[in-house]
Amino acid sequence: SAVISQKPSRDICQRGTSLTIQCQVDSQVTMMFWYRQQPGQSLTLIATANQGSEATYESGFVIDKFPISRPNLTFSTLTVSNMSPEDSSIYLCSVEAGGILQETQYFGPGTRLLVL
Amino acid sequence: QKEVEQNSGPLSVPEGAIASLNCTYSDRGSQSFFWYRQYSGKSPELIMFIYSNGDKEDGRFTAQLNKASQYVSLLIRDSQPSDSATYLCAVNMISDMRFGAGTRLTVKP
Repeated sequence: SAVISQKPSRDICQRGTSLTIQCQVDSQVTMMFWYRQQPGQSLTLIATANQGSEATYESGFVIDKFPISRPNLTFSTLTVSNMSPEDSSIYLCSVEAGGILQETQYFGPGTRLLVL
Repeated sequence: QKEVEQNSGPLSVPEGAIASLNCTYSDRGSQSFFWYRQYSGKSPELIMFIYSNGDKEDGRFTAQLNKASQYVSLLIRDSQPSDSATYLCAVNMISDMRFGAGTRLTVKP
């Protein structure tokens, strides 16, 4: 498994501002993922972040709104830009670990975001 | 059709009973299957994974996989109030992992 930390753990932000969420893992990993989980809902994948390449975004998510950095194998950031109340959610990073065909995802503790 | 479907719940069982959580998936080529537990306000925690047809037991938890039926389940024996949580089924498909909507389980003392 992997030990994953996220900063901040929670924040309250004003509409129109941006927030950058950091994800740090205790070992080198190739694949990192960013998810959103709205209250009472399941996980929605925002994007996959591989070190050394552009993030791959899922349908409905765009780089201008959710820019991602992946400067090395242990760290990634997700920025939520020009926030609106609809962006209020829990944002989770996860990493993939395990052997071929046994890849497993482990999640960070999440960042709880409230946009006023 | 959703890629990963779980029984909608909520599911309520008395303490000591067996809780049965079910999941079906659409991609016949999927190779690995996972159950996560998520307590309210917390992030998902991996509790079981299974790759081969049949049963896999870990303490009070048993995962069952039937690839022909594209079906995976989680049985929790001797359910405890501390098992009350949302359980997410996840399937590793060719391109990425997909999660079900989750089943909320309540174990009543």
